[in-house]
Amino acid sequence: AQKVTQAQTEISVVEKEDVTLDCVYETRDTTYYLFWYKQPPSGELVFLIRRNSFDEQNEISGRYSWNFQKSTSSFNFTITASQVVDSAVYFCALSGRGSNYKLTFGKGTLLTVNP
Amino acid sequence: DGGITQSPKYLFRKEGQNVTLSCEQNLNHDAMYWYRQDPGQGLRLIYYSQIVNDFQKGDIAEGYSVSREKKESFPLTVTSAQKNPTAFYLCASSIGQGRSSGANVLTFGAGSRLTVL
Repeated sequence: AQKVTQAQTEISVVEKEDVTLDCVYETRDTTYYLFWYKQPPSGELVFLIRRNSFDEQNEISGRYSWNFQKSTSSFNFTITASQVVDSAVYFCALSGRGSNYKLTFGKGTLLTVNP
Repeated sequence: DGGITQSPKYLFRKEGQNVTLSCEQNLNHDAMYWYRQDPGQGLRLIYYSQIVNDFQKGDIAEGYSVSREKKESFPLTVTSAQKNPTAFYLCASSIGQGRSSGANVLTFGAGSRLTVL
């Protein structure tokens, strides 16, 4: 069975602070994929990143960066110099061959960036 | 612009009534999905379809029904058998396993919020 844990239910920061959203996963698959999605107040989920289990390189995209560590089964997401527009619910998700590649979502972390 | 259109955005239902949520995509995606989101919860899969005229139950299919008569459309009916239907419903689509390997990126619609009075 697959499981995704986002222990942080809510995080509140002040603009320009750095913030890290944690994601821990469980899977028996050797080949799997990890995702992050953003859900702004409008409700539509927006894809941020997909990473497969064989690629442990960290990735940076502008103010966003992701740290994938198989040794700790974690795929954490950092926003540098946060902005008010970053306020949203962020979901980590897992997909693997054992689940026929259906996504298992964490419960999400509500990030509020205050001006 | 390509995307997914869900309607209605807000829907109110009396107990005992069936309601149908619409989901249309013009992305030429083979696979479509319905998720349910409750406050403080993640997304839970209701039904999914990998190809026209075929669909499978997800984790919480009881009280719901779907059809996939056209590639572009995947309507969800919330039946009176669903005990707690008030929720936010999200439709999504992806290229599908037939045209790619591994896990596909899902594109989501803007959602439909159903409230039972």
